[in-house]
Amino acid sequence: DAKTTQPPSMDCAEGRAANLPCNHSTISGNEYVYWYRQIHSQGPQYIIHGLKNNETNEMASLIITEDRKSSTLILPHATLRDTAVYYCIVCPGSAGANNLFFGTGTRLTVIP
Amino acid sequence: NAGVTQTPKFQVLKTGQSMTLQCAQDMNHEYMSWYRQDPGMGLRLIHYSVGAGITDQGEVPNGYNVSRSTTEDFPLRLLSAAPSQTSVYFCASSYSGWNTEAFFGQGTRLTVV
Repeated sequence: DAKTTQPPSMDCAEGRAANLPCNHSTISGNEYVYWYRQIHSQGPQYIIHGLKNNETNEMASLIITEDRKSSTLILPHATLRDTAVYYCIVCPGSAGANNLFFGTGTRLTVIP
Repeated sequence: NAGVTQTPKFQVLKTGQSMTLQCAQDMNHEYMSWYRQDPGMGLRLIHYSVGAGITDQGEVPNGYNVSRSTTEDFPLRLLSAAPSQTSVYFCASSYSGWNTEAFFGQGTRLTVV
């Protein structure tokens, strides 16, 4: 079952902020929002996750709406190396590597 | 610290052959899992393990076996390869408990002819 909805593709100019939206209207109270990305055909790479507060790390920021039904991943200054498929995943905090439903994600293309 | 290591990186099998995809992690992670990714699709869970001696089925387990005799290793066995098993296979691991992230290997690209 698809727990999240993401646009299939987005473009972003190099150096600008990339804002990737995700809808997860059926999220339950103990579920986190995780973001992973997959560059070309490599293994997915963890980016960031959050429960209800906004989060920031060295890679990105995660903004979660107050009702937790949607979120936005922000790459503040996109580079060509950020071109990848980005997956928004909703799962219990205890899922770890198990029971992650990836969906088809958003293909972000960073344009020079 | 090598992370999650998968071997081989590429493999071609004939229909009906069997083989084992290897996955090893050196992070002392309790959780390990196998996913497959078909062209244009997201990853789908095949089997997973929450610790040595404990395995369970994921979304697409048919045609695959797993075992977890040690914390470090989680091999995936294809019993009788079929063309429908042509895919890229990813192994992942993580700590157990709350609020953890998954680490993925670089994948094994399998073609069954």
